[in-house]
Amino acid sequence: AQSVTQLGSHVSVSEGALVLLRCNYSSSVPPYLFWYVQYPNQGLQLLLKYTSAATLVKGINGFEAEFKKSETSFHLTKPSAHMSDAAEYFCAVMGNGNKLVFGAGTILRVKS
Amino acid sequence: DAGVTQSPTHLIKTRGQQVTLRCSPKSGHDTVSWYQQALGQGPQFIFQYYEEEERQRGNFPDRFSGHQFPNYSSELNVNALLLGDSALYLCASSLHTGGFGYTFGSGTRLTVV
Repeated sequence: AQSVTQLGSHVSVSEGALVLLRCNYSSSVPPYLFWYVQYPNQGLQLLLKYTSAATLVKGINGFEAEFKKSETSFHLTKPSAHMSDAAEYFCAVMGNGNKLVFGAGTILRVKS
Repeated sequence: DAGVTQSPTHLIKTRGQQVTLRCSPKSGHDTVSWYQQALGQGPQFIFQYYEEEERQRGNFPDRFSGHQFPNYSSELNVNALLLGDSALYLCASSLHTGGFGYTFGSGTRLTVV
């Protein structure tokens, strides 16, 4: 069965600093991986997805993620954090039958 | 282009009651999935509907049931509510043919007291 582990339930960065949110996956088949963002009291918005094309995936709002098979990782990065990036971020892998399996989430805090 | 619409946005129910949540998928989508997101956790898959049938089910008891209508909209029903059913319920629509284009609604916040 597919699963994801997000390292760090809370991450705090200063405005303008690098954002790095970690995600490791487990999958018996080539994985399809996703990053979603959730703002308070809202649903999930897709940031980016990896579907076995380029290993470096660019998403919305300046985010990108790199698929590393050897490390079973799909970490999310952004070169310069903005106050508006403060939210909760979820990594997900597509499980059997096209259902999404989510990690526990990482809350990103951006300090001014 | 309307996205996924869920109703109601919030509701409060008493233990033992029954609740129905509703979802209208994004225009052009034919598959609806439901997720439960408890406070401080990631969303958990409940079930998925396509062609008015339940196609997949997660690890949820039979108290959770659903329905999909000919217009692709869907309902989630929960019977005999427990305090632990308090959560944000998210609906996601997609195309059965794939493409990994999932669109989530804003969710229904259910509080069981």
